[in-house]
Amino acid sequence: GAGVSQSPSNKVTEKGKDVELRCDPISGHTALYWYRQSLGQGLEFLIYFQGNSAPDKSGLPSDRFSAERTGGSVSTLTIQRTQQEDSAVYLCASSPNRVLYGYTFGSGTRLTVV
Amino acid sequence: TQLLEQSPQFLSIQEGENLTVYCNSSSVFSSLQWYRQEPGEGPVLLVTVVTGGEVKKLKRLTFQFGDARKDSSLHITAAQPGDTGLYLCAGHGSGNTGKLIFGQGTTLQVKP
Repeated sequence: GAGVSQSPSNKVTEKGKDVELRCDPISGHTALYWYRQSLGQGLEFLIYFQGNSAPDKSGLPSDRFSAERTGGSVSTLTIQRTQQEDSAVYLCASSPNRVLYGYTFGSGTRLTVV
Repeated sequence: TQLLEQSPQFLSIQEGENLTVYCNSSSVFSSLQWYRQEPGEGPVLLVTVVTGGEVKKLKRLTFQFGDARKDSSLHITAAQPGDTGLYLCAGHGSGNTGKLIFGQGTTLQVKP
């Protein structure tokens, strides 16, 4: 597609439920990144994909968080047993290659855990 | 751990004023980028600086990369209400993963 697409744009879930967030990167972009942003703050790195593999998962906060990417395209970030501290905007970005290129971000998924 | 610190965190100015936002680190970065983010949207890339001492201009915005590649600044001349937003600096971390490390951001409000 023309840009990075994320769905849903908003998600309200009850504490303890599982959620899946989806990212559709720009076609042909091999690198894909997930970040988390709290209100008005900077971005916290979660995970990086090159193709379907994830060479850097160092930012995943706990084992409740997991992500996968299939066909070198769509990625899904799954949060199990959600907690209130998981509430944030989850941003996905893609890039043509690993180094020096800028990211193109999606508009994010705003997750609220109640 | 590579960190980027931005200052100021908040800036509220009148239309027509000039301003500078700073992005500092104790680590060397291979490149630095600046992004602008509006509410409800993802950040949008403004510029990438690669060479120490490099200066890039984008209309009324001037970006500078420090000689030692540890810091950067963004200067806006004659700010306009359309410049309002969250400005983020980001640097490529070590390890060649392409992972960007972001500063905490500077929220700019330009009043008409």
